[in-house]
Amino acid sequence: QQPVQSPQAVILREGEDAVINCSSSKALYSVHWYRQKHGEAPVFLMILLKGGEQKGHDKISASFNEKKQQSSLYLTASQLSYSGTYFCGTAGRMNRDDKIIFGKGTRLHILP
Amino acid sequence: SQTIHQWPATLVQPVGSPLSLECTVEGTSNPNLYWYRQAAGRGLQLLFYSVGIGQISSEVPQNLSASRPQDRQFILSSKKLLLSDSGFYLCAWSETNEQFFGPGTRLTVL
Repeated sequence: QQPVQSPQAVILREGEDAVINCSSSKALYSVHWYRQKHGEAPVFLMILLKGGEQKGHDKISASFNEKKQQSSLYLTASQLSYSGTYFCGTAGRMNRDDKIIFGKGTRLHILP
Repeated sequence: SQTIHQWPATLVQPVGSPLSLECTVEGTSNPNLYWYRQAAGRGLQLLFYSVGIGQISSEVPQNLSASRPQDRQFILSSKKLLLSDSGFYLCAWSETNEQFFGPGTRLTVL
């Protein structure tokens, strides 16, 4: 089942904060976040595993609420380089052979 | 460190022509390998995945096929391309839970 991302698109000014949400209708083992710039391949940002993790590096962090089957990506004091489409992917099992199912993406545009 | 290669980077093919896209991974053994397609402005559609040599699982029935002749080589093929096959084709690999994408092949079918 494909996870649902919200919002579909967001426009911010440089320095503002953004939150992108990802929710699933099934139990999750892991949530994966990627950023894709126009014309390029998706770049891995982070993975959160079952257990209610929070992770972050620099000004990008994420949380995973396994009970609610939701994850959120937080972009703090956004920079122009944060523009792109953000995808969340979810997997339901610890088995490394389980496939990641991706959401439709959230387009983020940062204005100077 | 691991690297993933795809070629060609871009391809323009006429309708009805064959297709062969290649993906290779370096620096890892027995990775899971994946083929995705992304239509313009759209999401990531999983086409095939492989957990080992000769083992291919198809996610979407269509005129494409995949093969894994070697541990770190994954090939996407078609005997006759359709207009709807245009898109950005991404190969990806994983060894544990994390998955990484290759640079992609942009295919235009005319």
